[in-house]
Amino acid sequence: SAVISQKPSRDICQRGTSLTIQCQVDSQVTMMFWYRQQPGQSLTLIATANQGSEATYESGFVIDKFPISRPNLTFSTLTVSNMSPEDSSIYLCSVEDQSVLVATEAFFGQGTRLTVV
Amino acid sequence: AQTVTQSQPEMSVQEAETVTLSCTYDTSESDYYLFWYKQPPSRQMILVIRQEAYKQQNATENRFSVNFQKAAKSFSLKISDSQLGDAAMYFCAYRTNSNYQLIWGAGTKLIIKP
Repeated sequence: SAVISQKPSRDICQRGTSLTIQCQVDSQVTMMFWYRQQPGQSLTLIATANQGSEATYESGFVIDKFPISRPNLTFSTLTVSNMSPEDSSIYLCSVEDQSVLVATEAFFGQGTRLTVV
Repeated sequence: AQTVTQSQPEMSVQEAETVTLSCTYDTSESDYYLFWYKQPPSRQMILVIRQEAYKQQNATENRFSVNFQKAAKSFSLKISDSQLGDAAMYFCAYRTNSNYQLIWGAGTKLIIKP
């Protein structure tokens, strides 16, 4: 299993500013995922962060708005840039345990509740 | 396109009773995985149960069991002896064997009545 520490757990930010969310894993993982979960909604994948290459963004999400870093196999950051109230959501970091030959499960951080005012 | 549908936005059950949450999915793949995740108010997403499509036997984890109907593309979750701590959002999710991206349902809010 993997234990994920995600920071901050919550923040209130002014519009036009940026927030960087950190995700630290207690083991090396190849793939890390960043999700957005709007109030009362399901999870929407923002991007997949792979170490040593640029993140792969899903439709509707762009690197300028959500830059991602993945400097090593245990750490990643997601920045929400030039924030507006529409960016108010929960942001979740997730990893897939690929240490076994068959799929196990995805592990999640505690989430970051972002409120933009 | 692969999709996951949860048709029950909200369900309620009396404590100690049994409740079944529905999930259907659409795929042309034959090898895939299905999951039920629980998200309590703390926001921590927790795996409840997992089913491999190649296994005919339904997965069971203590009070949680699934009814996996591959031909019907149905994957329901049964919670027996419901407890107050079971109150949460429950999400059904799907992924193929070759792609680690999860496809999520809209979620079902489960309310436990004391």
